[in-house]
Amino acid sequence: DTEVTQTPKHLVMGMTNKKSLKCEQHMGHRAMYWYKQKAKKPPELMFVYSYEKLSINESVPSRFSPECPNSSLLNLHLHALQPEDSALYLCASSQGGLGTEAFFGQGTRLTVV
Amino acid sequence: DAKTTQPPSMDCAEGRAANLPCNHSTISGNEYVYWYRQIHSQGPQYIIHGLKNNETNEMASLIITEDRKSSTLILPHATLRDTAVYYCIVRVANFGNEKLTFGTGTRLTIIP
Repeated sequence: DTEVTQTPKHLVMGMTNKKSLKCEQHMGHRAMYWYKQKAKKPPELMFVYSYEKLSINESVPSRFSPECPNSSLLNLHLHALQPEDSALYLCASSQGGLGTEAFFGQGTRLTVV
Repeated sequence: DAKTTQPPSMDCAEGRAANLPCNHSTISGNEYVYWYRQIHSQGPQYIIHGLKNNETNEMASLIITEDRKSSTLILPHATLRDTAVYYCIVRVANFGNEKLTFGTGTRLTIIP
């Protein structure tokens, strides 16, 4: 099983709403990632968790709040977003360590109105 | 992670081999070369990776030059489903430093 599952697939939220994106993997992977992708641009790294601890934060605004409740689950809590935050949000996981590959979910298409 | 340079776009006839180049002249000794592709509006898909030897799997072959400053991804018999953006990434994946940074990629179009 090389599947990373993201829910929901689509989300529309207002600028005052609070919502969460969810990512799940059951491959025993030790590293999990959040990426943001705008149209016609490459994915941009937001956060990395290693062994359930936040190891990399790429200077992401505090209106995005990641959480790793256990080794299989990764959440991204959203609050007070702006329309320019509308994008495809991708989750990935990897075993970690030299020479290991990352597997991506299909993403959540977020629209902020 | 080392920076990579790829052509922005390429065309390839269906059934022919697609050869996608990537330059990574500042690659370090412990950095791997990874290839991913992204079909429109889907998550990136892992294709192949290597350190210094050439690699082959069911999807593609990866040819890395002896000095490791460039590589080529080969799709041996391209089909229309191979139309996608292909990303070459050079990466060190140490525990606690698991960055995977995408460049601008090559948009490959397979022509019927």
